[in-house]
Amino acid sequence: AQSVAQPEDQVNVAEGNPLTVKCTYSVSGNPYLFWYVQYPNRGLQFLLKYITGDNLVKGSYGFEAEFNKSQTSFHLKKPSALVSDSALYFCAVRDLDTNAGKSTFGDGTTLTVKP
Amino acid sequence: EAEVAQSPRYKITEKSQAVAFWCDPISGHATLYWYRQILGQGPELLVQFQDESVVDDSQLPKDRFSAERLKGVDSTLKIQPAELGDSAMYLCASSILDRGILTTGELFFGEGSRLTVL
Repeated sequence: AQSVAQPEDQVNVAEGNPLTVKCTYSVSGNPYLFWYVQYPNRGLQFLLKYITGDNLVKGSYGFEAEFNKSQTSFHLKKPSALVSDSALYFCAVRDLDTNAGKSTFGDGTTLTVKP
Repeated sequence: EAEVAQSPRYKITEKSQAVAFWCDPISGHATLYWYRQILGQGPELLVQFQDESVVDDSQLPKDRFSAERLKGVDSTLKIQPAELGDSAMYLCASSILDRGILTTGELFFGEGSRLTVL
């Protein structure tokens, strides 16, 4: 079975400071890893993904994430936070070795960026 | 830009009533998912279709929930009878999944249908 843990319910940062939203995962095979963002009463929007290759992946709105296989982590980062980045962020994993295509999501981390 | 369409956006119903949600995925996306998102939690898969066939419905409460995708395009999720615990956001998503080949595709979500059961 696959699972995702987002250890922080809430992350607060000041505008202009770097931000990190943490994610760890568990799969039996090789993982596909994703980050999504959700604004109030909206669906989820794709931010970025790791499939293979470079451990640092870049995505939408200046976000990036670093894949660390030994620590089974895929933390989301941004060098300089904006107030508009305030939202709910979800990490998700798909097991590369099964082809059912099921994605498992973490419980989300609320990011608040203060002016 | 192509989008996943869902309706209704909001639904308020009384317990024991029937409710239905509709989803139209992005054209050409063979795989369609229904997720339930309870407030404060991540989305939980209810059912996954590949074209018109159910691939995974292991988490679908089949005594009251049903889902269909008759022509392999749009889909309907039904709850009958609704219970208080069904209050949640119901999210539809689609992705590209070629027959027999798992792609690396992300999920494309609709805006969701928020259900409140009184």
